[in-house]
Amino acid sequence: DTAVSQTPKYLVTQMGNDKSIKCEQNLGHDTMYWYKQDSKKFLKIMFSYNNKELIINETVPNRFSPKSPDKAHLNLHINSLELGDSAVYFCASSQNLGVSPLHFGNGTRLTVT
Amino acid sequence: AQKITQTQPGMFVQEKEAVTLDCTYDTSDQSYGLFWYKQPSSGEMIFLIYQGSYDEQNATEGRYSLNFQKARKSANLVISASQLGDSAMYFCAMRYTGTASKLTFGTGTRLQVTL
Repeated sequence: DTAVSQTPKYLVTQMGNDKSIKCEQNLGHDTMYWYKQDSKKFLKIMFSYNNKELIINETVPNRFSPKSPDKAHLNLHINSLELGDSAVYFCASSQNLGVSPLHFGNGTRLTVT
Repeated sequence: AQKITQTQPGMFVQEKEAVTLDCTYDTSDQSYGLFWYKQPSSGEMIFLIYQGSYDEQNATEGRYSLNFQKARKSANLVISASQLGDSAMYFCAMRYTGTASKLTFGTGTRLQVTL
């Protein structure tokens, strides 16, 4: 069973479109995250949610809107896509807000043309 | 603010040899955790090993061990008996305890294992 699953794996779209990435975890974890990995492989946190409550919003443009319908799901919706949004987006979860490790999904490679 | 530094952008090691990947960190927090992740060319992020700031012994997981030197603020990853499948990007990361806890990553080291 996949612990953290995100869909789709690849997303190719044109500038100005709106797209969503879905994420689900079956680990029973309380905390979920979205990370962005740029072309230089640098990983930066975007958002974190704990029990459906937004904890971290790391100065991400308003075009990015996370939604957590329950603690097992954290989706990412992106409006008005721009070229600079091209990256790999990782969903992750951890047991709680402490120093427990994050478990990552396999990533979604977003390409904006 | 937390900062993670990995000074080796790329490393080569021969198969069956041991290799050390360097990581230093900067934090004013007393309670924190240090992590290493592996990212193979297929792209997934694989958790390898964890060290708590209050742990007195260095963490080990199979062929991976973490050389934790708290006073020097270093958390180097040692891979013993390297295998071809160890070729990947390796990221050091840190998070502290707290409501706004986030995992902060270093820039990574690309390890290439050769025959």
